[in-house]
Amino acid sequence: RKEVEQDPGPFNVPEGATVAFNCTYSNSASQSFFWYRQDCRKEPKLLMSVYSSGNEDGRFTAQLNRASQYISLLIRDSKLSDSATYLCVVRNFGNEKLTFGTGTRLTIIP
Amino acid sequence: NAGVTQTPKFQVLKTGQSMTLQCAQDMNHNSMYWYRQDPGMGLRLIYYSASEGTTDKGEVPNGYNVSRLNKREFSLRLESAAPSQTSVYFCASSEVGRVNSNQPQHFGDGTRLSIL
Repeated sequence: RKEVEQDPGPFNVPEGATVAFNCTYSNSASQSFFWYRQDCRKEPKLLMSVYSSGNEDGRFTAQLNRASQYISLLIRDSKLSDSATYLCVVRNFGNEKLTFGTGTRLTIIP
Repeated sequence: NAGVTQTPKFQVLKTGQSMTLQCAQDMNHNSMYWYRQDPGMGLRLIYYSASEGTTDKGEVPNGYNVSRLNKREFSLRLESAAPSQTSVYFCASSEVGRVNSNQPQHFGDGTRLSIL
């Protein structure tokens, strides 16, 4: 079983819709959680960290469920510019390294 | 404010050739990383350096060597390139320690390497 698993998609969603992704992680020692976005042929960029109480940044909401070992990303009122691959990322306690999921590809359709 | 700078951006090599990928960061970060990204595989860690003077193997270190030249620079070397090393290589840096474990990594814009 992969340490971080994501539905690869693709998700094709009409502009203005709400879309949600889940990501599961296998190591209960995972401590830090992030969502990155990666545009085609570009580097990954931090979208948002995920905090235990959940957090929101504009149209984006991230949730963490430690009991079930998953994190989620909700995008409201989706824009064409949201089209990208979204990477789920975890760090285990005391570890310098990040573990990346393979990404969920999102396409927003006009 | 450059962030993480990688050179070169593109490179084509013949099997058996050697080359060094360069990476520099200007954010005074302690930790630096080298990843490769292949279709369907996600980002895989090759080597990392938690601080100047230290390096450690990641998930896929075979065929690579690294040098943490100073706090700013972390280079990746392919001694004898193989077609299986055709990939996109990303360097990243982070200010991370056990106390600040929520610090993210910042990526360079990648090197696209083809081995013929």
